[in-house]
Amino acid sequence: EVQLLESGGGLVQPGGSLRLSCAASGFTFSDYTMSWVRQAPGKGLEWVSAIGGSGGTTYYTDSVKGRFTMSRDNSKNTLYLQMNSLRAEDTAVYYCARGWIQLWLFDYWGQGTLVTVSS
Amino acid sequence: QSVLTQPPSVSAAPGQKVTISCSGSSSNIGKNYVSWYHQLPGTAPKLLIYDNDKRPSGIPDRFSGSKSGTSATLGITGLQTGDEADYYCGTWDSSLSVVLFGGGTKLTVL
Repeated sequence: EVQLLESGGGLVQPGGSLRLSCAASGFTFSDYTMSWVRQAPGKGLEWVSAIGGSGGTTYYTDSVKGRFTMSRDNSKNTLYLQMNSLRAEDTAVYYCARGWIQLWLFDYWGQGTLVTVSS
Repeated sequence: QSVLTQPPSVSAAPGQKVTISCSGSSSNIGKNYVSWYHQLPGTAPKLLIYDNDKRPSGIPDRFSGSKSGTSATLGITGLQTGDEADYYCGTWDSSLSVVLFGGGTKLTVL
């Protein structure tokens, strides 16, 4: 059974940093592109970043470029999102999602982890 | 404001049919496959339709998808109260190199 379990969310002050993790199981992790998708309270879905199976290729939405870094450790079946220079507008539930067939098609999602940026 | 435009809300009675539109442009829907997700309150999104009109295993045939030009449509027949959720379209934008989601449509089954 495919499972994605996010962790690392919490309360952080503006300008602070946080690292999210997503532990994957039930599939060959290195075979799949992975993404982070966030959802601000009461708002819609916003794609944040994606990474290829080998970790060699990454994509980011403009609003996080230069601040967020996505990486993966295929030996640990774990996905990461290092978030620096956090802003209030980064407050959201962050989901990791598995890419299927195309980078932008997500067949499995984690349960999400809440990041709150506030003083 | 999302690049992919969806109506904020739709509603219909149980047993009826509803459609949800997703309008984009030549660089996103016009060039790439569209997928649809639904999200029940407090839960993660779930894939409903992929490659414009295909259903993953386990999704009933009450759900259908189509695409024409730069627009896509999700159809739901035989509406049930359990279908009340937020629905999102998604695709890739080849010019921006980003994944796009529509703003979401809240379905109310009256």
